[in-house]
Parts: sequence; C-alpha cells; structure tokens
Amino acid sequence: DVKVTQSSRYLVKRTGEKVFLECVQDMDHENMFWYRQDPGLGLRLIYFSYDVKMKEKGDIPEGYSVSREKKERFSLILESASTNQTSMYLCASRGGPRYEQYFGPGTRLTVT
Amino acid sequence: GDSVTQMEGPVTLSEEAFLTINCTYTATGYPSLFWYVQYPGEGLQLLLKATKADDKGSNKGFEATYRKETTSFHLEKGSVQVSDSAVYFCALSSNTGFQKLVFGTGTRLLVSP
Repeated sequence: DVKVTQSSRYLVKRTGEKVFLECVQDMDHENMFWYRQDPGLGLRLIYFSYDVKMKEKGDIPEGYSVSREKKERFSLILESASTNQTSMYLCASRGGPRYEQYFGPGTRLTVT
Repeated sequence: GDSVTQMEGPVTLSEEAFLTINCTYTATGYPSLFWYVQYPGEGLQLLLKATKADDKGSNKGFEATYRKETTSFHLEKGSVQVSDSAVYFCALSSNTGFQKLVFGTGTRLLVSP
C-alpha cells in the first residue's frame, strides 16, 4: 500500500514562529503536493513539486515556502506563522500526471 | 480558470436512503473528473473517476456519470450506510500538462441509523 505520512497530526504554534511541516512518501513518487483545507473553501493548492529540488507555486503560496531535497520528503515552511494560517494541511503524492494522488492524514495547525 | 461547484451540506439521511450529491464543473477542453472521500480524522481517498464523456465511475456502491452536455458529475448511491458518513469532494484535472487537481468545496454526509 502507498503510504504518505505527515510529521504531526496536531500542532500549536505562536504567531511569528517558523513552522516546518514534513511529509514523507514511500512509493518513489515523482510529484508531491501541499494543500490547505478550510471549511467552505475545500482544498487549495499551496505548492507542488514535480521532482527533487523542483517546486512550483500553487494557487495560494503567499506566506509559505517548500523544500524537496530528497525524493521521498516534501517540507512546507511557514516563515513567520500568522493566525490566518490556522488550518488543516494535507500532503499528497503521485507517480506522475496520469496517476492517482495519495493523501496523508493531515496536520491540524493552530497559530495563536 | 477551471472550477468545480458542489452542493453545500450537510446532507442528512437515514440509513438505506438514496443519495445524490450534485457536482458541476467549468473547464476548457475535456477534463477528467473525480470523487474523493474523507472519513473523519483521515486524509482524502479516491472514490471513483471518469476520464471521458459518458463514462461511469463506480466503487463501493457509489456511481457517477460524466455528462458533458450538462457539465455535471453527480454522485449517487442507492442505499447509504452509517459508515458512509464522511466529506465528499468533487474534483477535476485537465488531461494535458501537469494535470493538477481542482477541488470543489466538499459536501458533508451524515447518515443516521
């Protein structure tokens, strides 16, 4: 089975902190994604990566950055956390454009 | 740009009732269409998909037909169970380029015994 794991299920951080969300997949997938999920807004794409060290902005990249130094790991970074970044963050991976996306369980981040 | 519109929830049903969750889309070209399901405390799972007009996707008793003329992909199930309680997301992707997914806002289904 494909497994996408995220480093934390719940996280509480203070405004202004630098926050790292980690995602690891075990299927040698080329593409990886970070989404945020908010009630009434569905899933919105923050960043994606089509290969190691390659990254592209999604629809809402402001306030976020990413890192993909190894194929299996894709990190989302909140440079200076703000309360409007309180959300559920979902990571996903897939083998390529024509393949299914597999999602991790999500990290619920609260910024106070 | 591409977009997906789905009915607001929650949808509340009794066990064994018939389910319809409406989904319509706007896209250039001929996208692929998907339904994802999110059970409580979990990530999203692909429920079914259709890649061209008139295709019917089906899985676990759920069905959806790709209707190009009405730009719709409504999700149906003949008899829901309590275990179907979840959030359902309709999504599309183009069939060219990187093929990112575009999601609807999600519809919560609550099934009572």
